[in-house]
Amino acid sequence: NAGVTQTPKFQVLKTGQSMTLQCAQDMNHNSMYWYRQDPGMGLRLIYYSASEGTTDKGEVPNGYNVSRLNKREFSLRLESAAPSQTSVYFCASSEALSQGRTYTFGSGTRLTVV
Amino acid sequence: QKEVEQNSGPLSVPEGAIASLNCTYSDRGSQSFFWYRQYSGKSPELIMFIYSNGDKEDGRFTAQLNKASQYVSLLIRDSQPSDSATYLCAVTNAGNMLTFGGGTRLMVKP
Repeated sequence: NAGVTQTPKFQVLKTGQSMTLQCAQDMNHNSMYWYRQDPGMGLRLIYYSASEGTTDKGEVPNGYNVSRLNKREFSLRLESAAPSQTSVYFCASSEALSQGRTYTFGSGTRLTVV
Repeated sequence: QKEVEQNSGPLSVPEGAIASLNCTYSDRGSQSFFWYRQYSGKSPELIMFIYSNGDKEDGRFTAQLNKASQYVSLLIRDSQPSDSATYLCAVTNAGNMLTFGGGTRLMVKP
């Protein structure tokens, strides 16, 4: 099925552990994004990649790194997890946002840091 | 000041009533405006988009945009219990990305 695939769906980490969230899309989209969602906060942009080979910080990049491995894949890494990073993480992809074109979202990763 | 503001709710309406959801934004350069519905534990799904001043209707949903007032709203007619969800307003500006509001939780009571 065409779309955005995120793995894992759930993860529990201990403080200080590291992990990588994986995201892959098969729609040939140029742009990919990582958001986090906390209660009452909507979705906040962590990092984005406008095209293969480029990445830029969003609103809340501290504590995260990203890699745009190729056009399909955009991973998010937590080097030393903290309880404040407990959240639901969404990956999305898109073409140019105009005339109503918008994101395709992955199903999300629910991360708990204890 | 947050760039996109929504009342967090919950907004409670009886079944069959009109639900009115509101959103204000701060960037006058915002170009396109989206409403997403998000059920608990699920990813957001697009309901409506609008980019011209005025109203846009799609079934039971009407989006309204007033760029002078920097205001966008979503009306849901004949609300159903299945409409109970969180509704996210999102806007685009230069940079090809969406900025989201905090969402409004809607509860439709049978």
